This record gives sequence, C-alpha cells and structure tokens, in this order.
Amino acid sequence: TQLLEQSPQFLSIQEGENLTVYCNSSSVFSSLQWYRQEPGEGPVLLVTVVTGGEVKKLKRLTFQFGDARKDSSLHITAAQPGDTGLYLCAGDIDNAGNMLTFGGGTRLMVKP
Amino acid sequence: KAGVTQTPRYLIKTRGQQVTLSCSPISGHRSVSWYQQTPGQGLQFLFEYFSETQRNKGNFPGRFSGRQFSNSRSEMNVSTLELGDSALYLCASSLVGTETQYFGPGTRLLVL
Repeated sequence: TQLLEQSPQFLSIQEGENLTVYCNSSSVFSSLQWYRQEPGEGPVLLVTVVTGGEVKKLKRLTFQFGDARKDSSLHITAAQPGDTGLYLCAGDIDNAGNMLTFGGGTRLMVKP
Repeated sequence: KAGVTQTPRYLIKTRGQQVTLSCSPISGHRSVSWYQQTPGQGLQFLFEYFSETQRNKGNFPGRFSGRQFSNSRSEMNVSTLELGDSALYLCASSLVGTETQYFGPGTRLLVL
C-alpha cells in the first residue's frame, strides 16, 4: 500500500482543458513537494509547500496543501501540450529527515 | 550553478555482477539521497548520506550500499545483481536544514 495515494493515475485531455491531481495520505507531512518528470530524466521540482492550508501559484499551476498537512492538490488551468509528463507528489514525513515518500504518479497527456 | 550530475547515464550488466554509480551534488549541498525508480514500484527511497554518514535507510537488501566522500560526492554500489535491479537510479541533493531535494538525471541500469 502506497503511503501517498495519487489520483488519477492517467489523464488524457485536450489542450485548453483544466485538470486537478490529488495526493492523499493518512500520515502528516512536514512538507510536500510536487515534481514533473520527463521520460528518461530525473524529476524536476515544481514547488514545495510546508504550511497547512498553503496555496502556491506557478503560472497556470496552483498547488494546495491541506490544513492537516496530509493531502495536497495540483490544479492546471488551460493545459497545454508542454504540460505533458509524469507528475509526482512527494512528502517528507514529520521528523523523518531527508527521506521522501513518493506517490505513484499521475501520467498526464495533453493533446493539441 | 551546476545541477546534480550522475555517471554513468546508462549501464548494462549481467546477473551476479556488481555495479557502482556516482553522484555529484549541487555545490554547497551536503545531503545526498538515492532512489530507485521502476515501472511497478515507482520511486522508492534507498538511503541518505550527510557528512559522510548514512542518516536514513530504506527497505532494501544489504546488496545495496553507499558512501559519501568529504566533498559530498556519493557513490552507491549494488552487489550480486539480479534482474529485478533493472531500474532508473536517481540521486538527489539538498541543503542542510531544508527538505527540498533536487534530482539528477539518473542512471539507467539494465541487468541481463
């Protein structure tokens, strides 16, 4: 059982549509990070959220950290083909040090 | 500032052999973590090194080991390779006291 459950696993949408990816856990995280990974490359950090209830925006991407620091969401507005990739959430369990627990990932395809 | 570098990028080995992978962190980063990524299990934490000491360890057999040098560069070693060790091995570095990790491009290991 994954400590961090990501949904959906796969998402195929048309350019211009909106989407939301969810990351849920029963554990509390001291911080949560979102990454995007291209095939054959390492994950690239998009954002780190550390405060319960925090909302961060990165152009068309909006990230939320749940009040209880157990869940997070990533919302993309007006998706573009360049947004295609594997989106991963990763949490640092309270006081566990630099040991990230990853969700299973959401594979997004945005068709032109 | 240069990012995390990993060598080699690709490697083919046969069962029973051993392999050593190298990681150079971002300048100034003293924590180095290693992860294994496979299609079935996703990204899983192997171990973390800080100031030449292993600080955290994931749930992997003793065939997987690592070390860190005084310049923060790190190596991981896998002995007696098995087919299931075929994976993308990712290294990530972070500053002391932060939980944000930056990943290298990975080493893709294929065990035949």
